[in-house]
Amino acid sequence: AAGVIQSPRHLIKEKRETATLKCYPIPRHDTVYWYQQGPGQDPQFLISFYEKMQSDKGSIPDRFSAQQFSDYHSELNMSSLELGDSALYFCASSYAGGNTIYFGEGSWLTVV
Amino acid sequence: GIQVEQSPPDLILQEGANSTLRCNFSDSVNNLQWFHQNPWGQLINLFYIPSGTKQNGRLSATTVATERYSLLYISSSQTTDSGVYFCAVGANDMRFGAGTRLTVKP
Repeated sequence: AAGVIQSPRHLIKEKRETATLKCYPIPRHDTVYWYQQGPGQDPQFLISFYEKMQSDKGSIPDRFSAQQFSDYHSELNMSSLELGDSALYFCASSYAGGNTIYFGEGSWLTVV
Repeated sequence: GIQVEQSPPDLILQEGANSTLRCNFSDSVNNLQWFHQNPWGQLINLFYIPSGTKQNGRLSATTVATERYSLLYISSSQTTDSGVYFCAVGANDMRFGAGTRLTVKP
């Protein structure tokens, strides 16, 4: 079965640079979520979208923005990167009528 | 917000042993999931279990919603069971516990 696809899988950026992560949800899923997992931490909710509209906002820094496009894929844009942004970023998707959230394999961001 | 506490934080087992992981939550929930994060970082759904009991092979889970806890049972553990087990509650803004790090030794 198709899963949540994230790209790139690994990314190395320098401080103050910009990074963009992409997420392709499971087909027919209408809700996308972004999570950030720092080293040794549990995943923290950043933001979610339902039918291309932002639905919930968590601990997403102002330097970050995200959107969901007409084909339901989503992008997380991170600017003015800091060392502390180094983390594993997960995208997840679900169907509004369902109850299970499925996670992608994650994108490893290293800021140097 | 809702608090999620998992215990124990770390668990070391010999292959073949059984274990029970616990998740306590501070408020009523209508969505609770158990995940396994493998050593490569992948988060894998184990159970969606806001209440009741489910079994899948060597794994089973029970949630007692009225008492605000959930248990994950792993029987006949294997080295591939190693990793971190997370309990997470909520819907759109799912909140994770700190996880239980399981190490299964051959």
